[in-house]
Amino acid sequence: EAQVTQNPRYLITVTGKKLTVTCSQNMNHEYMSWYRQDPGLGLRQIYYSMNVEVTDKGDVPEGYKVSRKEKRNFPLILESPSPNQTSLYFCASRRSPGQGARGYTFGSGTRLTVV
Amino acid sequence: GQQVMQIPQYQHVQEGEDFTTYCNSSTTLSNIQWYKQRPGGHPVFLIQLVKSGEVKKQKRLTFQFGEAKKNSSLHITATQTTDVGTYFCAGRIGNQFYFGTGTSLTVIP
Repeated sequence: EAQVTQNPRYLITVTGKKLTVTCSQNMNHEYMSWYRQDPGLGLRQIYYSMNVEVTDKGDVPEGYKVSRKEKRNFPLILESPSPNQTSLYFCASRRSPGQGARGYTFGSGTRLTVV
Repeated sequence: GQQVMQIPQYQHVQEGEDFTTYCNSSTTLSNIQWYKQRPGGHPVFLIQLVKSGEVKKQKRLTFQFGEAKKNSSLHITATQTTDVGTYFCAGRIGNQFYFGTGTSLTVIP
């Protein structure tokens, strides 16, 4: 089944404790993105990647890191989480224009709480 | 600041009534996509519009892309309880898609 898999689904952590949210897709998509969803603010892009070893900042990159060492994986790293990073996070992937671009396929989400 | 604005934020309708949500951008969009997110779920891609003035239909859903490629709308005819959820537009500017804030639709049986 074509899908984007993110883990964990739920995470409660303490301020300053480094964490990684994993994301993997099995559709050979070149584009991958991370979004955070907050009430009243919709989906805001954190980072995106157009291909392996190519990453760019989105609208709200502060406090986050990403890497794209292989096409299928795009982990989101919070080096020192703070309470304002409490949010619902979505990883998403899509085909590039060269692949016949369509819409994003989203993962099921990770609900992160930083206390 | 928000690149793509979406209104209304909330809409309550009686089952059988129509529903419309609107997206606007101050920047010309390369294309626009629409997504639906059910309560507790993740956004699911519905459709992509690319051409100026384009209109597409999916059963009771009608999607329009403005002539200037700066606005779009989603219209649902005769809403059903299965239409409940939040509808997002996402406009492409450069290499990024900017999501609107979403319209949360409640359908009263």
